Amino acid sequence: EPEVTQTPSHQVTQMGQEVILRCVPISNHLYFYWYRQILGQKVEFLVSFYNNEISEKSEIFDDQFSVERPDGSNFTLKIRSTKLEDSAMYFCATQYYSNQPQHFGDGTRLSIL
Amino acid sequence: GNSVTQMEGPVTLSEEAFLTINCTYTATGYPSLFWYVQYPGEGLQLLLKATKADDKGSNKGFEATYRKETTSFHLEKGSVQVSDSAVYFCALNGETNAGKSTFGDGTTLTVKP
Repeated sequence: EPEVTQTPSHQVTQMGQEVILRCVPISNHLYFYWYRQILGQKVEFLVSFYNNEISEKSEIFDDQFSVERPDGSNFTLKIRSTKLEDSAMYFCATQYYSNQPQHFGDGTRLSIL
Repeated sequence: GNSVTQMEGPVTLSEEAFLTINCTYTATGYPSLFWYVQYPGEGLQLLLKATKADDKGSNKGFEATYRKETTSFHLEKGSVQVSDSAVYFCALNGETNAGKSTFGDGTTLTVKP
């Protein structure tokens, strides 16, 4: 079965540094999402992306965050200047159509020091 | 907005016990409903889904029925195994939004031999 692939699996970064989290979606999927899960807490929506633009974003997704599909395949999440509170698991999810289940990657654990 | 309320955990059961994890939702229209499972240190895996009222999703011995009248999607399994120990998330995709998933808080299940 096709999978969503996320890299790296674990990223350790100094506060204030930029990080880029990468996701390779399932090839025929049209909708892309980023979620985060702070340790022991619920999964929170960050942003959705369709047709090469942001469809919706949450209040968490402030000016420090950005997403893009730079080469039409990878889907990236960039955090410009990381803060301690950005430490979390970040999940990419992709979806063929908007009422179908989302397929999640295994996540990137981001640790900000 | 959309919301999902899950039974609070943690839940501890003996092997072969009956499992119920309650989930109720608030959404406009006819959302699609899902259960995801997260094993320790791993990402989210779709466990089962239901896309319309009275649908029953089932997988690996787990079942959940989409009840429009009670806005519920309770997860059940007749006989749990130690390997079912994980965190279970109820989620919905709204009918009218860009397809983002709204998650419940998650319920931690521990099954003891």
